This record gives sequence, C-alpha cells and structure tokens, in this order.
Amino acid sequence: DVKVTQSSRYLVKRTGEKVFLECVQDMDHENMFWYRQDPGLGLRLIYFSYDVKMKEKGDIPEGYSVSREKKERFSLILESASTNQTSMYLCAVKRPSGETQYFGPGTRLLVL
Amino acid sequence: AQSVTQLDSHVSVSEGTPVLLRCNYSSSYSPSLFWYVQHPNKGLQLLLKYTSAATLVKGINGFEAEFKKSETSFHLTKPSAHMSDAAEYFCVVSDGGYSTLTFGKGTMLLVSP
Repeated sequence: DVKVTQSSRYLVKRTGEKVFLECVQDMDHENMFWYRQDPGLGLRLIYFSYDVKMKEKGDIPEGYSVSREKKERFSLILESASTNQTSMYLCAVKRPSGETQYFGPGTRLLVL
Repeated sequence: AQSVTQLDSHVSVSEGTPVLLRCNYSSSYSPSLFWYVQHPNKGLQLLLKYTSAATLVKGINGFEAEFKKSETSFHLTKPSAHMSDAAEYFCVVSDGGYSTLTFGKGTMLLVSP
C-alpha cells in the first residue's frame, strides 16, 4: 500500500503568517494532489503536480502556492494566512497507472 | 466539466436494515467513479471503484454500487447496516486526464441500534 504522510495533524497559525504544509509519499509516484475539506462542501482541489517542478491549478488555487522539488515531497504554501483558510487539508498520491488516489491523514489548520 | 451530486446530506438507518446512498454524476468523458468513506477523525479510504468493466462493483465491508449510464447514477448500497458503517461517504468522478477527482459534498450515514 502507498503510505502518505503529512507533517502535522493539527496546526494553529495567526493571520498573515506564512504557512507550509508538507506531504511525503514512499512510492516514487508522479502525481500528487492537495485538497481542502470543509463541512458541506466535500473536498475541493487546490493544486496538483504530475512531476518534479511541474504544477497545475485546481479549482480553488487563490491564496495558495505549491512546491515540488523532489518527487516524494509536495508542499502547500499559504503566503499570508487568512481566517477563511481555516480548514482540513488533505494530500493525495496516485500511481502512474490507474486512477485511484491514496490520501494522507490530513492536517487541520486553524488560522486565528 | 464534470460534477457529482449526492442527493442526501444525511441518511439514517437502523442496524440490520439496508443502506442506500444516492449519487448522480455528469461527465464529458467515459467516467471512472469512486466511493470513499471517512470515519470520524480518520483519513479517506477507498470503498470501491468503477472503471468501465462490470457495471456492478463490489467493494469492501459488504458495500456495492451499480453504474447506470442511462440514469447517470452510481448509488451505493449495503444489504444490512452495521454500527461501524456510521461515517461520511463521498461519491467521486475522475476526468481521466490527469485523473483529477471531483468530489460530491458527502452523505453522513447515521446508524442507530
């Protein structure tokens, strides 16, 4: 099974801080994804990456950026955190063949 | 563009009775469809997936789903609910390109004794 690790389970930050959320996979897969999950809205795609240094915007990229310097690590960056970015953030990984995505445990971010 | 509509935000059943969670989709491609489950304070787990093989798909924990192209539906069923089935369920469609997923808003399944 693919193992997807996220750096923190819970995080509390202040408005205006720069926030880094890290995701690491153990299987050398190309495709990695960042979602946010909010009650009643399901999961929404923020950014994804299909290879090192490659990135594509998802449905809600505003206020976020990403970094993929190594294949196993995909970082989500909040340049200047705002209270409306309080959410659960989920990272996912996909094998090169097939369409199933495997999810990490999530990071619950609170921005005060 | 693709989209998913989960027709019920909450479904309540008694233990031992059948479960039906409804999902309709819209896709320009031949879609791949998934059901994921999320137990409280846990990550998302794949229940089952449809990828253009058999239209009746069996998943883990006794769940199954039937792909009906004419109705654009992919409803999730289980003959007999168990207390451990209480969780949030997400219907998901894949666009087949970069395989980005579009999630429904989720259905919370409540199981009473």
